[in-house]
Amino acid sequence: EIVLTQSPATLSLSPGERATLSCRASQSVNSDLAWYQQKPGQAPRLLIYGVSNRATGIPARFSGSGSGTDFTLTISSLEPEDFAIYYCQQRSYWRTFGQGTKVEIK
Amino acid sequence: QLQLQESGPGLVKPSETLSLTCTVSDGSISSSTYYWGWIRQPPGNGLEWIVSVYYSGTTYYNPSLKSRVTISVDTSKNQLSLKLNSVTAADTAVYYCAGGYSSEKEFGYWGQGTLVTVSS
Repeated sequence: EIVLTQSPATLSLSPGERATLSCRASQSVNSDLAWYQQKPGQAPRLLIYGVSNRATGIPARFSGSGSGTDFTLTISSLEPEDFAIYYCQQRSYWRTFGQGTKVEIK
Repeated sequence: QLQLQESGPGLVKPSETLSLTCTVSDGSISSSTYYWGWIRQPPGNGLEWIVSVYYSGTTYYNPSLKSRVTISVDTSKNQLSLKLNSVTAADTAVYYCAGGYSSEKEFGYWGQGTLVTVSS
């Protein structure tokens, strides 16, 4: 099983600030890495697939980067609606999720 | 765009079988465009993938759940079904039905989720 480790567990930031979320895989996942956003009481929402491709309707302030085992989700300038939990997910070998990073208002 | 809606009992007894149905709207479940799956989330915890299925019938299971999972597709009703047998309290979770484009192989569309509690 490929284990995804996300850091930090919690990120406390203010609206307008830049958010940088990390996801590290226990072995290479090639480019089969996606990011999801989840708000309380809601289903996850696909943000990024294939490391850096924004899903339909996702604003340009969300971007993904990385390769192999180290990946980053960047939110260039936080909007109020961006405060949520973010999960990375790989599908290179079966499908597993990271434990999540909570982006909270400072 | 695709709409997905889960349905099924909210309470299942230990050792019994959990059965859920996902009804798909605004898209054909048999279309090669799409890809389907089930994901669950225990209360207060993270996401766990259960199973994925392509229009061709090719199915991929989470190895840790494979022996207990059955997935089926009813094209006449545009529904996807999940059965999980021999449930325990550890199977208590919100169960999500999800779909996406076969080309992306990610889940861009999700149902609202349904909470299933395993308890006597």
